[in-house]
Amino acid sequence: GQNIDQPTEMTATEGAIVQINCTYQTSGFNGLFWYQQHAGEAPTFLSYNVLDGLEEKGRFSSFLSRSKGYSYLLLKELQMKDSASYLCAAGEISSGSARQLTFGSGTQLTVLP
Amino acid sequence: DSGVTQTPKHLITATGQRVTLRCSPRSGDLSVYWYQQSLDQGLQFLIQYYNGEERAKGNILERFSAQQFPDLHSELNLSSLELGDSALYFCASSVNRMGPDSPLHFGNGTRLTVT
Repeated sequence: GQNIDQPTEMTATEGAIVQINCTYQTSGFNGLFWYQQHAGEAPTFLSYNVLDGLEEKGRFSSFLSRSKGYSYLLLKELQMKDSASYLCAAGEISSGSARQLTFGSGTQLTVLP
Repeated sequence: DSGVTQTPKHLITATGQRVTLRCSPRSGDLSVYWYQQSLDQGLQFLIQYYNGEERAKGNILERFSAQQFPDLHSELNLSSLELGDSALYFCASSVNRMGPDSPLHFGNGTRLTVT
């Protein structure tokens, strides 16, 4: 089984930088994903980490420390459209080689003008 | 557009009824996942199919069942519906059943309202 924790809400100002943290506990860890979800819409894939370190993708970067069970999503040059819920999800290889993806409850980010 | 198609978009039904939600995965994707998202909860994993076979089960109630057909589309059947079953039901697909570099791609969901 898995346990994933992330803050419920965060607020930041347009143009600023925000870091959303996520901690996880899992057996059979198989990668850490970040998704963005606007209200009432489908989650969309942002980033994936399986090795320790930083992955950069434009304004978004994601970091992973497997030994600490910790990840963060860094959003730079915030725009109003970045207001959304950000979901941390941990992949786990379960019995029979099936992979499950377990999501945290999401961090609701509000970007203020 | 993720390439994952879910129908219907909205469904309103009464308690005790049965409904079927349909999902067509992205072209080439063999795995289909079903998730439930209630108003105050995160995405809850229900069940996964890979190439027609059930691969993993999450917190799926006995009143719920699913299957994946030879053409790889999937259906989620919800029966004896209760008010608490009202939620957004998402289908997602990925290329393979495992592998860290295979993110899930989500459909737009079916919003189920049980009255």
